[in-house]
Amino acid sequence: KAGVTQTPRYLIKTRGQQVTLSCSPISGHRSVSWYQQTPGQGLQFLFEYFSETQRNKGNFPGRFSGRQFSNSRSEMNVSTLELGDSALYLCASSALWGAFFGQGTRLTVV
Amino acid sequence: KNEVEQSPQNLTAQEGEFITINCSYSVGISALHWLQQHPGGGIVSLFMLSSGKKKHGRLIATINIQEKHSSLHITASHPRDSAVYICAVLETSGSRLTFGEGTQLTVNP
Repeated sequence: KAGVTQTPRYLIKTRGQQVTLSCSPISGHRSVSWYQQTPGQGLQFLFEYFSETQRNKGNFPGRFSGRQFSNSRSEMNVSTLELGDSALYLCASSALWGAFFGQGTRLTVV
Repeated sequence: KNEVEQSPQNLTAQEGEFITINCSYSVGISALHWLQQHPGGGIVSLFMLSSGKKKHGRLIATINIQEKHSSLHITASHPRDSAVYICAVLETSGSRLTFGEGTQLTVNP
């Protein structure tokens, strides 16, 4: 059974640009959630999608958005990148009995 | 007060020592995860627990649902165990994870 796949693994962007990250969940999982980890900070909840609908949203500005497709794959987008957006972005797919984690995408904004 | 509290925040041990990291939570959960993160690295899931105890090599994880508490134990610690260990709970709705702040473990040779 394939795990949670995040692409790309590493990314360097310039301030002001926008970025799209992708997450393919475990087959059969309909819930995908996204988290941000900045240097020295814990993992902060961004949002969660279930069956193509955003079910929960964390306390992040509107520059952070996401979507989920009919095959449960999810993307998150960050527009007008700021230096402070440099972080590890982690995706998790979950069912009621537990969650599975991707390796994360490490985004560096310069 | 955080919904997931870990202790200690930092832990330094000598190689061979027995290590315990604790996690307490205040929400209803369907599962609890112990994660490991090496510097600059991604996050690796060590255990997923909903009851009882699990063992994998030198690592043991336990959970007490009634007391809302879990522990991660490392026996015969080794310098390669040096990492941040994170407790995460999956809320009963199954929709979101809440993470502890992590425990920075350093094992000296």
